Amino acid sequence: DAGVIQSPRHEVTEMGQEVTLRCKPISGHDYLFWYRQTMMRGLELLIYFNNNVPIDDSGMPEDRFSAKMPNASFSTLKIQPSEPRDSAVYFCASSFGPGDNEQFFGPGTRLTVL
Amino acid sequence: RKEVEQDPGPFNVPEGATVAFNCTYSNSASQSFFWYRQDCRKEPKLLMSVYSSGNEDGRFTAQLNRASQYISLLIRDSKLSDSATYLCVVNPNDYKLSFGAGTTVTVRA
Repeated sequence: DAGVIQSPRHEVTEMGQEVTLRCKPISGHDYLFWYRQTMMRGLELLIYFNNNVPIDDSGMPEDRFSAKMPNASFSTLKIQPSEPRDSAVYFCASSFGPGDNEQFFGPGTRLTVL
Repeated sequence: RKEVEQDPGPFNVPEGATVAFNCTYSNSASQSFFWYRQDCRKEPKLLMSVYSSGNEDGRFTAQLNRASQYISLLIRDSKLSDSATYLCVVNPNDYKLSFGAGTTVTVRA
């Protein structure tokens, strides 16, 4: 298996622009997680899906952030409009099950908002 | 209070040395515990799970102290390739993992 795939790997955009991050989880994994990592706040869970259904989005910072999972092999995280404080590395991870199951992370998308 | 707290380090050690560090967690109901490793500009990867009785994986030993709510990781005979950030991870409920900010270890030749 190719592992979790994320695109783009790097994104540089200007404040106010829409940003869409993409993720393809490992086939057969029922759980998909979106994280954000910064030096100041570490790794934060934004939202997670179970069987394509969003279960907990309490970590989404504000209404500018939205996430979808239209099918078992694809998810998007959208920021509209983007702001400089959104600059971070965004990781997608997937697992067979919740909690005590190993989470497999994608390589991340490094987002810079100017 | 953060759910998981770690000494950020860095721990700078020579090759062959032993290095150990801890993390503490706030939720006494937590059931599962892990150490993840993150190399510079890479994604986190599972290093090992931590069991109540303590466990070893080669040169790595993990211990759990539920009474004091801390987890430790010990690395023996350090290698240059052990240089990384080690993330303490706790499962406070059924679905969520809480990550510590990480402890940076640098092994020098």
